[in-house]
Amino acid sequence: EVQLVESGGGLVKPGGSLRLSCAASGFTFSSYSMNWVRQAPGKGLEWVSSISSSSSYIYYADSVKGRFTISRDNAKNSLYLQMNSLRAEDTAVYYCARKGGGASAFDIWGQGTMVTVSS
Amino acid sequence: QSVLTQPPSVSAAPGQKVTISCSGSSSNIGNNYVSWYQQLPGTAPKLLIYDNNKRPSGIPDRFSGSKSGTSATLGITGLQTGDEADYYCGTWDSSLSAGGVFGTGTKVTVL
Repeated sequence: EVQLVESGGGLVKPGGSLRLSCAASGFTFSSYSMNWVRQAPGKGLEWVSSISSSSSYIYYADSVKGRFTISRDNAKNSLYLQMNSLRAEDTAVYYCARKGGGASAFDIWGQGTMVTVSS
Repeated sequence: QSVLTQPPSVSAAPGQKVTISCSGSSSNIGNNYVSWYQQLPGTAPKLLIYDNNKRPSGIPDRFSGSKSGTSATLGITGLQTGDEADYYCGTWDSSLSAGGVFGTGTKVTVL
């Protein structure tokens, strides 16, 4: 079964750091670009970051540039998001999503992990 | 990054049809493929349409997509109570701040 499972969410104080992980299974992870997408409580989807299959191309939303770092380990079938200098507005469910099924579509999504930034 | 504009809500009776618009610009919808996602309450988004008008395996043909210029449209025919959800369009933005971009989201209510 094709699956993405996020972990690492939790409660962190403003200015703190957190590292999210996404474990992939059921497909050849190293062949796909991967993304992080977040959703603040009661709000819409916000794309956060993208990394190509070999990590050659990396993109960030302006809202997280300079604070978040996306990375991947193809040997471990894992995607990561290192989040530093966290702010209250970073509070959201964070989803990892596979870019597939089309030119710019996200065809497989994880269940999400909640990040709460609060003092 | 810019955000794509969708109507906040649409509604119709069971069996009827609804359409959801998604408006963007030349840097996103105008020059990239559009996808559509369904998000049922408390769940992760699910891909409904990719490459403007293609349906993944398992998605019924009640769902359709189209694109014209800098706008895209999702159509749902034969509306069912199980279609009540939030729907988002998405694409890539090729501007200086390149990246993914989603629509503002539309709540579909089955009356």
